[in-house]
Amino acid sequence: DTEVTQTPKHLVMGMTNKKSLKCEQHMGHRAMYWYKQKAKKPPELMFVYSYEKLSINESVPSRFSPECPNSSLLNLHLHALQPEDSALYLCASSQRTPQGIGTNEKLFFGSGTQLSVL
Amino acid sequence: DQQVKQNSPSLSVQEGRISILNCDYTNSMFDYFLWYKKYPAEGPTFLISISSIKDKNEDGRFTVFLNKSAKHLSLHIVPSQPGDSAVYFCAASGRSSNTGKLIFGQGTTLQVKP
Repeated sequence: DTEVTQTPKHLVMGMTNKKSLKCEQHMGHRAMYWYKQKAKKPPELMFVYSYEKLSINESVPSRFSPECPNSSLLNLHLHALQPEDSALYLCASSQRTPQGIGTNEKLFFGSGTQLSVL
Repeated sequence: DQQVKQNSPSLSVQEGRISILNCDYTNSMFDYFLWYKKYPAEGPTFLISISSIKDKNEDGRFTVFLNKSAKHLSLHIVPSQPGDSAVYFCAASGRSSNTGKLIFGQGTTLQVKP
C-alpha cells in the first residue's frame, strides 16, 4: 500500500461551520504533512508532524487546528474559516522526518480535499 | 521571496519530441531537488530526484540535470507522450536548513500534442 488517502474529496462550508479533513497512510511513514495549494500556485507547507508530535507550524492561523491521533492518521480541524481559505488541502507523508528529508527522501501526497468556504 | 522559480508557466511539444522543463533556485544551501507531476484533481506524484553531489539522474524517459554553479536544474522527457500532459513542479530542500522542508516552484503546465 503506497497510498495516502484523504477524505472528503470536496467540502463546502460556511464561515461559522466546524469541519474536519482526514488523512490516512499505512506505509509506516514517520512524518505527515498538511499543505495548502491555491489555484495556479505551488503547494505551501502548513504543518509537519514527526513521530506523532507537531514539529513545524508555518505560522498558520488558529482557525486551522491539526491533530495526529496515531502514526497513520492526520486530521485538520477547521473552524470559522474565511472565503480566502478556499483551496486544495493536501496531506503528505514521508518515511523520515524533515530533518532527514535532504537525504534522498520524498513526500507521498494524497489527492487532496478541495475546500470552498462560502 | 521565491527561492525556487519556474519561469515558464506553460510548454507545448509534439508527441515523440523532447520536453525540457526548467527550474532555478536562489538558496545555495539546497542539496536535494525533486520533480513532481500533478494531474487536475489529484495530488502531486513524485517523478524523479537528484542530490547535489550529482549532476545527472536518469529514470527511463525522464532525466534531471543539475548545474550547481548556475543554480539551475532541468527535467528532460524523451520521447514525450500525450499522457505526460500535466503540471510539473520543481521542489528543493536543504538538510542544513532550519527545517529541511520542501520548497516548491510555481509549476509548468506541459501539453503534449498527439
